[in-house]
Amino acid sequence: EVSLVESGGDLAQPTGSLRLSCAASGFTFGNYAMSWVRQAPGKGLEWVSGISASGRTTYYADSVKGRFTISRDNPRNTLYLQMNSLRVEDTAIYFCAKSVRGGDYDAFDMWGQGTMVTVSP
Amino acid sequence: DIVMTQSPDSLAVSLGERATINCKSSQSVLNSSNKKNYLTWYQQKPGQPPKLLIYWASTRDSGVPDRFSGSGSATDFTLTITNLQAEDVAVYYCQQDYSIPRTFGQGTRLEIK
Repeated sequence: EVSLVESGGDLAQPTGSLRLSCAASGFTFGNYAMSWVRQAPGKGLEWVSGISASGRTTYYADSVKGRFTISRDNPRNTLYLQMNSLRVEDTAIYFCAKSVRGGDYDAFDMWGQGTMVTVSP
Repeated sequence: DIVMTQSPDSLAVSLGERATINCKSSQSVLNSSNKKNYLTWYQQKPGQPPKLLIYWASTRDSGVPDRFSGSGSATDFTLTITNLQAEDVAVYYCQQDYSIPRTFGQGTRLEIK
């Protein structure tokens, strides 16, 4: 069974850091591009960052560029999001998502349940 | 950035009837090399992650009922749900996968009348 399980969400102070993880199982992780998408409480979806299947290419939303870093460990089937210089507006549920056909610009056919990040003084 | 605008923001439809949700992009999401529209539709129910319904504007994901269909090209797209069921109550989002950043519409809330 295909599964994505996020972890690492927590309460953090502004300017602080957190590292999110997404453990994948049930598919050949290294064959698929992955992304992080977030959802602020009661709000819509916002794509945050993406990474190619190999990990060589990364993509970021302007709102997180220079503060967040996406990475992956294919042998460990794990996706990461290093979040630095956190802001109150980063408060959201963070979902990891798998590309439907593996490509960098594919839709997302599998999502984790999400991990909550709260940034508050 | 490509701006995605959905209409309406919410709608109420009777069971068994048809629901239509529109999505407009601020620029074309049609890839001229492969002739595919990089437009995706998701369904999100309360407390759940989004679920993929349709990609490339009209390709249903595996297991999605054929009551759900997508159409449109370039900048104007439609998600149609026929024979509305109670389990279709959700928020529906469109997303463009054509360029970075990959932007979503604001969402359309679908309720039963």
